[in-house]
Amino acid sequence: QQQVKQSPQSLIVQKGGISIINCAYENTAFDYFPWYQQFPGKGPALLIAIRPDVSEKKEGRFTISFNKSAKQFSLHIMDSQPGDSATYFCAATIGNSGNTPLVFGKGTRLSVIA
Amino acid sequence: ETGVTQSPTHLIKTRGQQVTLRCSSQSGHNTVSWYQQALGQGPQFIFQYYREEENGRGNFPPRFSGLQFPNYSSELNVNALELDDSALYLCASSLAGPGRLVQYFGPGTRLTVT
Repeated sequence: QQQVKQSPQSLIVQKGGISIINCAYENTAFDYFPWYQQFPGKGPALLIAIRPDVSEKKEGRFTISFNKSAKQFSLHIMDSQPGDSATYFCAATIGNSGNTPLVFGKGTRLSVIA
Repeated sequence: ETGVTQSPTHLIKTRGQQVTLRCSSQSGHNTVSWYQQALGQGPQFIFQYYREEENGRGNFPPRFSGLQFPNYSSELNVNALELDDSALYLCASSLAGPGRLVQYFGPGTRLTVT
C-alpha cells in the first residue's frame, strides 16, 4: 500500500514557467511534509517543508500548498530555471522528534527547457 | 553538502555474496537511517539506529542488518544478495529531539548485483 502518491511522474516546463507537483497521503497521523530535490548521482536534499497548521509556505521561488481536509499537498516552482531540472520527491512523516522514518512518493522528474 | 559521507561510491557483487556499506553521519547527529532507492523509485526506509540501538525497521528481511558505532557512524550489511537488491543505498543522519525533523542524506552507494 503506497502511503504517499505523487504525480506527475515526469514534467516538462518552459523556462520561466510554473512547475506544479502534487502529492496525496493516506495516514492522518502524518504531520510533517518535506520536499526533497535530487540531482543525478547525488542524495536527496531538503528543499522546503511544511507542518499542517499552515496552508502555505513560501521560500524564494518554491511554495508548498497544503490541504489538510483533502490530505493533499503540492510544490509550486515559480519562474522555473534549467538549473531546477532534477527529480523531486514529496515525503511525509510523523514529526515528533526526527526519529520517525520518511515515507516518500515515487518522484517527479522535472525538465526545464529554454 | 550535508556532511554525510558514504562509502564505497559504487560496487558490483554477485548473487549470494555479502556486502557492507558505510556511513559517517553529520557532526553532532546521533541518529542514522538507511533507505533503499530502486531505479526510478522513491527511497524506501530500511531501518534506523539511535544511540547504537535499532530504533525502527521497514519491510525488509532479516538479511538486511546494521550497526551504529559510538561515534554514530553506521554500517548496513546485506547477506545472500539477490538481483533485486540492486539499488542506490542512502543513509540519512539527524539529531533526535522535539522539533528536530530534518534528515540529511549522503550521496549514496550504488550497488549492482549480477
